[in-house]
Amino acid sequence: DAKTTQPNSMESNEEEPVHLPCNHSTISGTDYIHWYRQLPSQGPEYVIHGLTSNVNNRMASLAIAEDRKSSTLILHRATLRDAAVYYCILRAYSGAGSYQLTFGKGTKLSVIP
Amino acid sequence: DTGVSQDPRHKITKRGQNVTFRCDPISEHNRLYWYRQTLGQGPEFLTYFQNEAQLEKSRLLSDRFSAERPKGSFSTLEIQRTEQGDSAMYLCASSLDPSSKGSNEQFFGPGTRLTVL
Repeated sequence: DAKTTQPNSMESNEEEPVHLPCNHSTISGTDYIHWYRQLPSQGPEYVIHGLTSNVNNRMASLAIAEDRKSSTLILHRATLRDAAVYYCILRAYSGAGSYQLTFGKGTKLSVIP
Repeated sequence: DTGVSQDPRHKITKRGQNVTFRCDPISEHNRLYWYRQTLGQGPEFLTYFQNEAQLEKSRLLSDRFSAERPKGSFSTLEIQRTEQGDSAMYLCASSLDPSSKGSNEQFFGPGTRLTVL
């Protein structure tokens, strides 16, 4: 799997938008961009994924650069419950295969009341 | 609750003892994954099952580790002759078969935290 680069940590004020960046300059054409987050003392949970177009769901938005070498996870209004480690993961779709997730260290998001 | 469950949540054992963890996936999910997570790191893939078949193992899965999913439902992960380096969080995840949209969202359980003294 291609590698991703994320800042180690970020801070945000409560109720403000948060933009979490991810660089993936070696992304291939078949790699999907996935985001998971892990709240303290819990297993990771899926946030969002995309291929080329920007994506929105109830949790977040995913903005993908036109050249796909970077992406940004957007939390529109951070709450204290959004404090977590956010992982940006690339995964290729290739029909058969494990589809295992290859986690890096992620970005630890702190939300300040 | 229809999520992924794991048992026990915590296990403390002495070096050299055997331990077994259980994972109950979401019932309609035919894929089941095991990951290991040490402090400050992201989870690392160990192995996965498609129904009852174990199809891939990571090089992290030494011969002291064995995983089973006998009826394609729950799974067990056993560690024999535990070592202090085995101390970690062991996470289980389940999913449906991959889709053409590249989702294959994995649902994780809360994990089993193992401490080897």
